[in-house]
Amino acid sequence: QKEVEQNSGPLSVPEGAIASLNCTYSDRGSQSFFWYRQYSGKSPELIMFIYSNGDKEDGRFTAQLNKASQYVSLLIRDSQPSDSATYLCAGFPLSAGGTSYGKLTFGQGTILTVHP
Amino acid sequence: DTEVTQTPKHLVMGMTNKKSLKCEQHMGHRAMYWYKQKAKKPPELMFVYSYEKLSINESVPSRFSPECPNSSLLNLHLHALQPEDSALYLCASSPRNTAEQYFGPGTRLTVT
Repeated sequence: QKEVEQNSGPLSVPEGAIASLNCTYSDRGSQSFFWYRQYSGKSPELIMFIYSNGDKEDGRFTAQLNKASQYVSLLIRDSQPSDSATYLCAGFPLSAGGTSYGKLTFGQGTILTVHP
Repeated sequence: DTEVTQTPKHLVMGMTNKKSLKCEQHMGHRAMYWYKQKAKKPPELMFVYSYEKLSINESVPSRFSPECPNSSLLNLHLHALQPEDSALYLCASSPRNTAEQYFGPGTRLTVT
């Protein structure tokens, strides 16, 4: 089982809709989660990070973390064609020593297309 | 300001060449990273520097040699690369090695 898994996609939503991107993780001790957006040919851009159970909102983006279910999600409200990109979920699994030492683990990514 | 800069943007090198990739951040971050990314794959961690000391080497071949001259700079020295090393090389930094990471624009490397 991969440490971080994303719903495989690709995901296509109409402009103005809510896009829902999901991620599950296997290491129950994982503490921190990150969502990156990556346009084709560009580098990953950090759009949200979440450390605590619950919701975190920033503009049109809401990150949700449910540690009991080992589940992280990203909601994009009022989706725009400019949101079309690959979205990468990432987390810090704990090493055998109990700390992650910076080894961010990425999911395989979900390709989102927002069509006009 | 969350800017990480990388030079060069593009690099083409032969298998016998020696070249270096450079990365710089002025955010006071104490952890810096090198990643390699192939098309349609997530970034793959190569090296982690924490407080200017190499803390993780993900079993990267010795033809890749990292260097951290100071807390703002990170280099990746390349020698005798193979065509399969062609990829996007990403530098990232974070306030500490368990915090959010900010990526630079990357260097697109082609080995001929």
